[in-house]
Amino acid sequence: SQTIHQWPATLVQPVGSPLSLECTVEGTSNPNLYWYRQAAGRGLQLLFYSVGIGQISSEVPQNLSASRPQDRQFILSSKKLLLSDSGFYLCAWRAGLASPQTQYFGPGTRLLVL
Amino acid sequence: AQSVSQHNHHVILSEAASLELGCNYSYGGTVNLFWYVQYPGQHLQLLLKYFSGDPLVKGIKGFEAEFIKSKFSFNLRKPSVQWSDTAEYFCAVNVGNFNKFYFGSGTKLNVKP
Repeated sequence: SQTIHQWPATLVQPVGSPLSLECTVEGTSNPNLYWYRQAAGRGLQLLFYSVGIGQISSEVPQNLSASRPQDRQFILSSKKLLLSDSGFYLCAWRAGLASPQTQYFGPGTRLLVL
Repeated sequence: AQSVSQHNHHVILSEAASLELGCNYSYGGTVNLFWYVQYPGQHLQLLLKYFSGDPLVKGIKGFEAEFIKSKFSFNLRKPSVQWSDTAEYFCAVNVGNFNKFYFGSGTKLNVKP
């Protein structure tokens, strides 16, 4: 069966410091991968998605970037964190098929920028 | 731009009351629709989904949702809620080439025992 991992679970970082959040998926090949930010009262905002290694689509302009160095690895990064980057970050995967598929979510990383 | 609206932000019910959470979307093409639930301290998990066929879909834990294409709606229902249904519920739409998902702002349901 497929599983999705995210780490760290919680992170406290100072303003201006770099960020690297990692997401890995097991038990599937060629998944579509997603990064979301969940803010209270605002639902899930799609930040990035990837349909393959090295392919990144950005949904909103921001201080963050994403990379997919391996088929089942998705990384969210920042060179210099802002206070506004605080939030709950969720990684998700979906079977990489050209047909309707369900999206499955990881446990999330809670980021607090001070 | 595509959007998903959940008009009920916070709902408080007593056990055994009936539940209906609204979800409307703005997209004219083919859509796939989902309801996800996030119990306190747990992952987002799928409650139910609609891809095609019977517009009344049944999910886990006695939940169901009805896709009404003419109203661009996919409302979630449960005839009798339990305390364990206390959670946040998210409606989501998958459009176009199936790669993108758009989520509503969520509805927090608080069921009083």
